[in-house]
Amino acid sequence: DTAVSQTPKYLVTQMGNDKSIKCEQNLGHDTMYWYKQDSKKFLKIMFSYNNKELIINETVPNRFSPKSPDKAHLNLHINSLELGDSAVYFCASSQGVAGAWSYEQYFGPGTRLTVT
Amino acid sequence: KNQVEQSPQSLIILEGKNCTLQCNYTVSPFSNLRWYKQDTGRGPVSLTIMTFSENTKSNGRYTATLDADTKQSSLHITASQLSDSASYICVVSEKAGTALIFGKGTTLSVSS
Repeated sequence: DTAVSQTPKYLVTQMGNDKSIKCEQNLGHDTMYWYKQDSKKFLKIMFSYNNKELIINETVPNRFSPKSPDKAHLNLHINSLELGDSAVYFCASSQGVAGAWSYEQYFGPGTRLTVT
Repeated sequence: KNQVEQSPQSLIILEGKNCTLQCNYTVSPFSNLRWYKQDTGRGPVSLTIMTFSENTKSNGRYTATLDADTKQSSLHITASQLSDSASYICVVSEKAGTALIFGKGTTLSVSS
């Protein structure tokens, strides 16, 4: 069984479109995250949810909106896509609450978003 | 400013050889430091997590060391294998905060 899964794995779209990336974890974790990895492989946290509540919201354009229907799912919706949004987006989950960084994080396989 | 610096940026070694990757950080106050391995096209996978009171932690052929006084960590890989080819990322968390600071990683290539 896949612990943290993301769909789609690849996403190619044009500027100005709206798209969503879905994430699901079957580990029973309370906290989920979205990360962005740019072309230089640099990972940066975007959001974190704990039991469907937003805990961490780094400096991210408000075109990005996370949605957590339940604690096993954290989806990322992006409006008005721009060229600079091209990156790999990783979902992750962990026990405990965001900010309690002693817990292990489990990452999904990533979604490669290409905006043309 | 909280930063995590890794060196070298990239490294090529022969299969069976040992290597050491470095991580220096300025994060304060410090909570814990972790090393991740990221294979191409995959998500990061945790190798070790160390708190400030731990000096060394091993995970198979991977051994991480931490010197909280000098704010330095290293990841030593013993008897490298082709499957060790990956990016290795050092991540430091700020104590009691929401900050999780990632290094830019070291890309390791193991050749036969």
